Amino acid sequence: GQNIDQPTEMTATEGAIVQINCTYQTSGFNGLFWYQQHAGEAPTFLSYNVLDGLEEKGRFSSFLSRSKGYSYLLLKELQMKDSASYLCAVRTGGSYIPTFGRGTSLIVHP
Amino acid sequence: DAGITQSPRHKVTETGTPVTLRCHQTENHRYMYWYRQDPGHGLRLIHYSYGVKDTDKGEVSDGYSVSRSKTEDFLLTLESATSSQTSVYFCAISDGSGSGNQPQHFGDGTRLSIL
Repeated sequence: GQNIDQPTEMTATEGAIVQINCTYQTSGFNGLFWYQQHAGEAPTFLSYNVLDGLEEKGRFSSFLSRSKGYSYLLLKELQMKDSASYLCAVRTGGSYIPTFGRGTSLIVHP
Repeated sequence: DAGITQSPRHKVTETGTPVTLRCHQTENHRYMYWYRQDPGHGLRLIHYSYGVKDTDKGEVSDGYSVSRSKTEDFLLTLESATSSQTSVYFCAISDGSGSGNQPQHFGDGTRLSIL
């Protein structure tokens, strides 16, 4: 099975930078996804990592270290609209279906 | 946005009644999934489909059945609803076979309350 850990909740200030961590224990790693989910809405895809390193997409970046079983999502220049849950999902080679962590609720305050 | 429609969006029903939730896609994606989302548990896979009439169980499949008679429709049925099945249900679709960066795209969810 897979064990995926994320902090339950984080708070940050508008304009700041926040890093949301995700650690996982799995065999046959085959990709990690980050999704954003606003309250009462559907999750939406943010990023995908399968190789070590940083993937940058505008204000959002995602990093992966396969040897450490570790990823983070970095949000820069935080805006109030970034208040949401951020879901980490890991896929293993034996399945095309990712397993989701419990999500991190990010609260951005003025 | 991916063309995924879930119906109904909200439903309140009583314990012991049958309930069917519908997921309809216009993307012609091969893979479809049903998840439930509960506080403290995140998204948990109920059932999934990898083609017409091809379905399999996820981690929380007890009490649920599914059917996929057409590429575009994936139905989730609670044969006899219980209060523990009160949840928000999300349908998702994806293309590809699991290699590459094909993400899942989610419908807007169905909020189901069983009294």
